[in-house]
Amino acid sequence: QQQVKQSPQSLIVQKGGISIINCAYENTAFDYFPWYQQFPGKGPALLIAIRPDVSEKKEGRFTISFNKSAKQFSLHIMDSQPGDSATYFCAARPGSDYKLSFGAGTTVTVRA
Amino acid sequence: ETGVTQSPTHLIKTRGQQVTLRCSSQSGHNTVSWYQQALGQGPQFIFQYYREEENGRGNFPPRFSGLQFPNYSSELNVNALELDDSALYLCASSLGLAIREQFFGPGTRLTVL
Repeated sequence: QQQVKQSPQSLIVQKGGISIINCAYENTAFDYFPWYQQFPGKGPALLIAIRPDVSEKKEGRFTISFNKSAKQFSLHIMDSQPGDSATYFCAARPGSDYKLSFGAGTTVTVRA
Repeated sequence: ETGVTQSPTHLIKTRGQQVTLRCSSQSGHNTVSWYQQALGQGPQFIFQYYREEENGRGNFPPRFSGLQFPNYSSELNVNALELDDSALYLCASSLGLAIREQFFGPGTRLTVL
């Protein structure tokens, strides 16, 4: 079963707007939460990651917000650009294991 | 520093055949994980190799097997191919088990007819 639930499946945003992707999990053993960006025909590329002892992490225009009590985390893409058009995956991994569990992905389209 | 490379890029096989996919890990990385990504889905973990030993396995049948070589490159072998095996197969390397960050290769697109 899907251990990480991701929404929405797709979204369209205007250039300069904010893209928000949400993920939820049940396994409280998860302690590492990365986000990957994937372009068509390419493998996923690590974008940004967070540990549960931090509520927010920002790298450039990308911010992860983490809510441990709600078991939810989200990716915000600020000032979205056409080059950000890609599929984004959230993932999670427990400390005792090395297997990444991925969400189903969100296709982001940024319109110029 | 070279990234993760995979070969071949594309492959077409028929049902019942066997296939071998190859992965060269990023320089210095001794841990390799394999994932299957069906169209429109997130990657699913197949197994992981650390220092030539299988270190963990996902919900895949035994006809999915692998190897890791002393130079840390790796192979994924799939026997008795089924139509549902059609997918993008991704290899990811990391610098040891304690390091969380995994870096993915471009994948091999396998089509089973």
